[in-house]
Amino acid sequence: EAQVTQNPRYLITVTGKKLTVTCSQNMNHEYMSWYRQDPGLGLRQIYYSMNVEVTDKGDVPEGYKVSRKEKRNFPLILESPSPNQTSLYFCASSERGSLTDTQYFGPGTRLTVL
Amino acid sequence: AQSVSQHNHHVILSEAASLELGCNYSYGGTVNLFWYVQYPGQHLQLLLKYFSGDPLVKGIKGFEAEFIKSKFSFNLRKPSVQWSDTAEYFCAIGGSQGNLIFGKGTKLSVKP
Repeated sequence: EAQVTQNPRYLITVTGKKLTVTCSQNMNHEYMSWYRQDPGLGLRQIYYSMNVEVTDKGDVPEGYKVSRKEKRNFPLILESPSPNQTSLYFCASSERGSLTDTQYFGPGTRLTVL
Repeated sequence: AQSVSQHNHHVILSEAASLELGCNYSYGGTVNLFWYVQYPGQHLQLLLKYFSGDPLVKGIKGFEAEFIKSKFSFNLRKPSVQWSDTAEYFCAIGGSQGNLIFGKGTKLSVKP
């Protein structure tokens, strides 16, 4: 089954404790990205990757890092989480990242930073 | 810069009522428009999309949307809603970075 998976699905952590949220897709998509969803703000893109070893900032990249060492994986790294990063995070992928591509979303990771 | 506005924050309807959710975008060039739905506790799913051609687009679950270029609008419609349509609906425009630029979403509550 074609899908985007994320782990963990729920995470409660404390300020400053480094964490990684994994994302994996099995559709051989070149394009992957991370969004955060906050009430009343919709979804905003954090980082994206057009292909392996190619990453770039989205609209709200501060406090986040990503890496794309393999085509299927695109982990999101919070080196020193802060409470304002409490949010619902979605990973997404699409075939090439063109304007007409459909993006497929993962199930989401609900992060709480205390 | 591209942006999307969804004017209704929360819509409450009774079953069998007709639905129209507003979406306006700002961008002067060729647009690619999407409607996604997020059921409670679930991830986003694509309802429908418009790239070109017939401005009336039909999607899954009986939803449709009409692209009106002169009004910069892409409103979502359904003739008769069901309780199972309770969800949050997001309008989005395709961005230049291959991303989606989302509106803030509209919560739909359907009373049985």
